[in-house]
Amino acid sequence: AQSVTQLDSQVPVFEEAPVELRCNYSSSVSVYLFWYVQYPNQGLQLLLKYLSGSTLVKGINGFEAEFNKSQTSFHLRKPSVHISDTAEYFCAVRFSGNTPLVFGKGTRLSVIA
Amino acid sequence: ETGVTQSPTHLIKTRGQQVTLRCSSQSGHNTVSWYQQALGQGPQFIFQYYREEENGRGNFPPRFSGLQFPNYSSELNVNALELDDSALYLCASSFFDQETQYFGPGTRLLVL
Repeated sequence: AQSVTQLDSQVPVFEEAPVELRCNYSSSVSVYLFWYVQYPNQGLQLLLKYLSGSTLVKGINGFEAEFNKSQTSFHLRKPSVHISDTAEYFCAVRFSGNTPLVFGKGTRLSVIA
Repeated sequence: ETGVTQSPTHLIKTRGQQVTLRCSSQSGHNTVSWYQQALGQGPQFIFQYYREEENGRGNFPPRFSGLQFPNYSSELNVNALELDDSALYLCASSFFDQETQYFGPGTRLLVL
């Protein structure tokens, strides 16, 4: 079955430090890749997406992600985090065509002052 | 441009009851997908509606059903509620042939 793996369930990081949240997916076919953020008691907000083209994509709030086809990865990075970045982050993949999103289990990013 | 809205925001039901959740899609979007997010988990796909018909279904039993209306809004109905149905239910809208889905704030359902 097609799957998405977020390798870290929790990531604590000090304010202004860099962070990387890891995401791997199971298939090597053409995929569409997404990162969503969920703040407490809220829905999902789209951070960034990779559909085609440049493998480095930039999103909102200073986040970026790099698509690596050979490693089937789409890791999320930010060079300097803020307290307000504390949230749950979900990696999601559409494996082909008009198929539903398959989500990872999420990574809880906690930014420490 | 109006985003995706959902109602109600919270709901408490007892086991065996039925519930209806509602979703209004983002302006112009003709496709609605529903997801269930259990506590501590990622969202799981329930089903998708396009042109008022179900257009794909995840691994959920038939007591989960839905509707889409001509204005593209949608309902999720769950019959014979079970304790494990307690979750955040998310609605997402999109254009049928576009890759990106936009999510509403969700309805948090608690089954006692």
